Amino acid sequence: QVHLVQSGAEAKKPGAAVKVSCKASGYTFRDHPIHWLRQAPGQRPEWMGWINPGNGLTKYSQAFQRRVRISRDTSASTVSMELSSLRSEDSAVYYCARYVGAIEAYDLWGQGTMVTVSS
Amino acid sequence: DIVMTQSPLSLPVTPGESASISCRSSQSLLHSNGYKYLNWYLQKPGQSPQLLIYLGSNRASGVPDRFSGSGSGTDFTLKISRVEAEDVGVFFCMQVLRPPFTFGGGTKLEIK
Repeated sequence: QVHLVQSGAEAKKPGAAVKVSCKASGYTFRDHPIHWLRQAPGQRPEWMGWINPGNGLTKYSQAFQRRVRISRDTSASTVSMELSSLRSEDSAVYYCARYVGAIEAYDLWGQGTMVTVSS
Repeated sequence: DIVMTQSPLSLPVTPGESASISCRSSQSLLHSNGYKYLNWYLQKPGQSPQLLIYLGSNRASGVPDRFSGSGSGTDFTLKISRVEAEDVGVFFCMQVLRPPFTFGGGTKLEIK
């Protein structure tokens, strides 16, 4: 079975950084880009960026350009997303999702990671 | 950025009846390859979103044929025939034509 399993909930103080991981299993890791999105309570999801696990190339939303970094560890079939200079508005559930080019859609999502930013 | 607008915000439906959700984009989502880069997702309570419809009108694997998608370059519709209790949740449209990929505000389907 195919899965994306994310790391656990995080509680951070304003100004700190958080790193969330996403481990893929059940398929060839390099075959599909992994995207990161976040969703604040009661809000629509917000797209943050993606990485091509095959070559490591990334693209970020301008809204997060200066604060986000997405990386991958091919030996562990894991993608990580680090968001720095956290503020209270960054409190949200963060998702990784597999993008399948053949259908131009996310067909597989992680379970989500709750990040809470509070002093 | 492409702005996605959904309606209605809330959709109370009696089981067995049909329902329709509208999604409008601020720019055409028609790609030069002829496909419409618009997807529909359902987020059930406490869960991650799940893919229902891709490229405007194609049902994802395992999705019942009660769900159908249609639309032009900027106006799209998700139709649910014979609504069931398990359809409860928030439906989102999403454009994947141009980054940043953007979502509609969501439509919450509830059972009367």
